Amino acid sequence: NAGVTQTPKFQVLKTGQSMTLQCAQDMNHEYMSWYRQDPGMGLRLIHYSVGAGITDQGEVPNGYNVSRSTTEDFPLRLLSAAPSQTSVYFCASSIGDFHNSPLHFGNGTRLTVT
Amino acid sequence: KNQVEQSPQSLIILEGKNCTLQCNYTVSPFSNLRWYKQDTGRGPVSLTIMTFSENTKSNGRYTATLDADTKQSSLHITASQLSDSASYICVVSARSGGYNKLIFGAGTRLAVHP
Repeated sequence: NAGVTQTPKFQVLKTGQSMTLQCAQDMNHEYMSWYRQDPGMGLRLIHYSVGAGITDQGEVPNGYNVSRSTTEDFPLRLLSAAPSQTSVYFCASSIGDFHNSPLHFGNGTRLTVT
Repeated sequence: KNQVEQSPQSLIILEGKNCTLQCNYTVSPFSNLRWYKQDTGRGPVSLTIMTFSENTKSNGRYTATLDADTKQSSLHITASQLSDSASYICVVSARSGGYNKLIFGAGTRLAVHP
């Protein structure tokens, strides 16, 4: 199993550009989520999904969209990049409710917005 | 306000020595507390999950303790190795604002020197 795979590993965008961060998992996990990690702060939840076709907002959803058309994939879209979105983004999955099950994280996408 | 506080922010120890990392939380009610290890440039990896009824859990040379009365947890690393150099993140699953959420600490950065 590859686990949780995120692409790309690094990305530089100009303000106003859009892009999609890819996340795929091969563990047949129902729960998937996106986090951002900023220096000196704990990870913060952006969006999450409890199964294909179901998504919901997390703590910091503004400026981001998600969709979940399959169990395996959970892409994160930046609609119009802003410097405040410079961060490291992590996708995670869990076999059950992520409040009670361990999270399996990808290795992150480091995004810089200039 | 930061509801999960970790200390110290950073720590340097010599290979073979033991160390203890601290996590204090203020959130309640509390479901479980987790410790994750995050190597540089990688995603966090789960070390332990403890419910409120558990006061200790081990994973190899890692031992986590929990005191739900004082809302404190510690992660003890025995006979440290160079590969223990990483950030260690404490995460509390709790009910906040009417719904369940995971609250991440900012982490303790550990460096093990030869």
